[in-house]
Amino acid sequence: YELTQPPSVSVSPGQTARITCSGDALPKQYAYWYQQKPGQAPVVVIYKDTERPSGIPERFSGSSSGTTVTLTISGVQAEDEADYYCQSADSSGTYRVIFGGGTKLTVL
Amino acid sequence: EVQLVESGGGLVQPGRSLRLSCAASGFSFGDFAMHWVRQAPGKGLQWVSGISWSSGSIGYADSVKGRFTISRDNAKNSLFLQMNSLRPEDSAVYYCGKDQGFGEWRGMDVWGQGTTVIVSS
Repeated sequence: YELTQPPSVSVSPGQTARITCSGDALPKQYAYWYQQKPGQAPVVVIYKDTERPSGIPERFSGSSSGTTVTLTISGVQAEDEADYYCQSADSSGTYRVIFGGGTKLTVL
Repeated sequence: EVQLVESGGGLVQPGRSLRLSCAASGFSFGDFAMHWVRQAPGKGLQWVSGISWSSGSIGYADSVKGRFTISRDNAKNSLFLQMNSLRPEDSAVYYCGKDQGFGEWRGMDVWGQGTTVIVSS
């Protein structure tokens, strides 16, 4: 059971960044997305595939299709440069949490 | 304010033990599953262990199974991680995280700032 992310994504300011996360269990389990900046703890930016927590800018959105979930950042800003991780959990049988390998978003 | 504060990290020799604590405040601690997640220097996030609200369901990553034990004290709003037989590869920042789900495990909506564990002779 794995979650696969691209190691890096690069975009220019104002463009749209899309970060994908693939895993066979994703159709059955919710995905979460975390943003982590250097020296800081992770922060959830998308939960339950598509929901955005209060305080997270509207430019962050999530979508799901089959075995792939996608984090989309519209109108990327310099402050969005960070590592992004997807995550899902299974508590229906074996109790475990899985993280994707992380994607480094670079704002050019 | 919802807050998680980890403590107990430090420098420890290989083979020794360490106990991490996580103090929770600002939410009903006993209603939610909790997790430990670690991050080795320059590496990604790795889930270590999780525990349901009642302590009735517990899970561990394969890399720590049999060496680490997670527990909680709902009366004291505290989460613990007992780490035995530590190895250099256990060196990492350890975060505690609050699960968002009420029953089933889903994902973490609150994270602590982390505590650093260094395993070295």
